[in-house]
Amino acid sequence: EDQVTQSPEALRLQEGESSSLNCSYTVSGLRGLFWYRQDPGKGPEFLFTLYSAGEEKEKERLKATLTKKESFLHITAPKPEDSATYLCAVQVSTGNQFYFGTGTSLTVIP
Amino acid sequence: SAVISQKPSRDICQRGTSLTIQCQVDSQVTMMFWYRQQPGQSLTLIATANQGSEATYESGFVIDKFPISRPNLTFSTLTVSNMSPEDSSIYLCSVAPGANEQFFGPGTRLTVL
Repeated sequence: EDQVTQSPEALRLQEGESSSLNCSYTVSGLRGLFWYRQDPGKGPEFLFTLYSAGEEKEKERLKATLTKKESFLHITAPKPEDSATYLCAVQVSTGNQFYFGTGTSLTVIP
Repeated sequence: SAVISQKPSRDICQRGTSLTIQCQVDSQVTMMFWYRQQPGQSLTLIATANQGSEATYESGFVIDKFPISRPNLTFSTLTVSNMSPEDSSIYLCSVAPGANEQFFGPGTRLTVL
């Protein structure tokens, strides 16, 4: 069964305290792994797509990496405006479906 | 990218009534999706709506409860029928303009009393 698990469920960081969020997946075949940011009351905002193990992508303080079993979203020197829920999703190669994890709620304290 | 709008942004409805949610995209897209996000949970795909064909529903979702229209390449509606409090959720539409990308609307927050 295709499955996506994110950890931790919630994370509180001091401003400037770097950390990583984890997304582990079990799928029959991976077409792509996606990271989204979701602010309260809004739809998910697309951040990155990763396609193959070893791939990395960066955007400002965020860096996403991918292995055969999991992806990490590294947050370097976070700021309060980085506070949000971060969702990961996988698209399986057998169809067009996206399977979402339950997200990590990040709070960055000034 | 794609800019997506949804109407209404939120609503409070009585049990047994129906609500139709509209999704408008600023460009033509073949694939549109409808998701549900219940409080504290992740996104669950309800159905895929392609223009010119019947919507494809995921396990646990049926057309009688969630009828979908897709009259053209920029618009879709999702109706939540005969609502109960368990239908209280955020409903999101999304589009996949490319093979490996997906963009979301702002969501419709539904509360059923």
